[in-house]
Amino acid sequence: KAGVTQTPRYLIKTRGQQVTLSCSPISGHRSVSWYQQTPGQGLQFLFEYFSETQRNKGNFPGRFSGRQFSNSRSEMNVSTLELGDSALYLCASSLAVTGGDSDTQYFGPGTRLTVL
Amino acid sequence: AQSVAQPEDQVNVAEGNPLTVKCTYSVSGNPYLFWYVQYPNRGLQFLLKYITGDNLVKGSYGFEAEFNKSQTSFHLKKPSALVSDSALYFCAVRVFNQAGTALIFGKGTTLSVSS
Repeated sequence: KAGVTQTPRYLIKTRGQQVTLSCSPISGHRSVSWYQQTPGQGLQFLFEYFSETQRNKGNFPGRFSGRQFSNSRSEMNVSTLELGDSALYLCASSLAVTGGDSDTQYFGPGTRLTVL
Repeated sequence: AQSVAQPEDQVNVAEGNPLTVKCTYSVSGNPYLFWYVQYPNRGLQFLLKYITGDNLVKGSYGFEAEFNKSQTSFHLKKPSALVSDSALYFCAVRVFNQAGTALIFGKGTTLSVSS
């Protein structure tokens, strides 16, 4: 079974631009979560989606948004990019949102975003 | 506040020796605990998890972890380290609220195994 895929793998943008990142979960997985990884702040939770609904959101400004489609694929968007948005953005999928043995999150390779 | 701590930024061990990567947690309720490993320029790979049951959890690549409720710890162990185990290791706890869930990660521990 194919793992979580993320596109593109690398992006270079300039301040003020916006960017859209894409994530395709493991087949059959209905939940998608996004995380930001930076050297200074480590891994931080951005959002969680289940059945096209945002179920949870981390402590990030409104410039960060996302959505999930009916096929469980997800996108996240960052508008008005800032230098501090440079990071590795990781997507993870799991079978279900509620607690239980099925709730392991499996991660994609990430998208490396550089803001100049 | 719910949190995870990895007290060591780096752990150095010789190949063939046992290794331990430490993790402590602070959560309300029963903890759902995870270990992930990250190789350079890669995403996180799942190693093992503790949900309930036996305190000793066995995972991928010969790793295991011991859940200790009284010490609120979930240390990752391996009896005999390999050079290929050198990577960045993250401990995480799954937290739940009325809306959904999220993983809270520790800062990570770099494991360096020398030959």
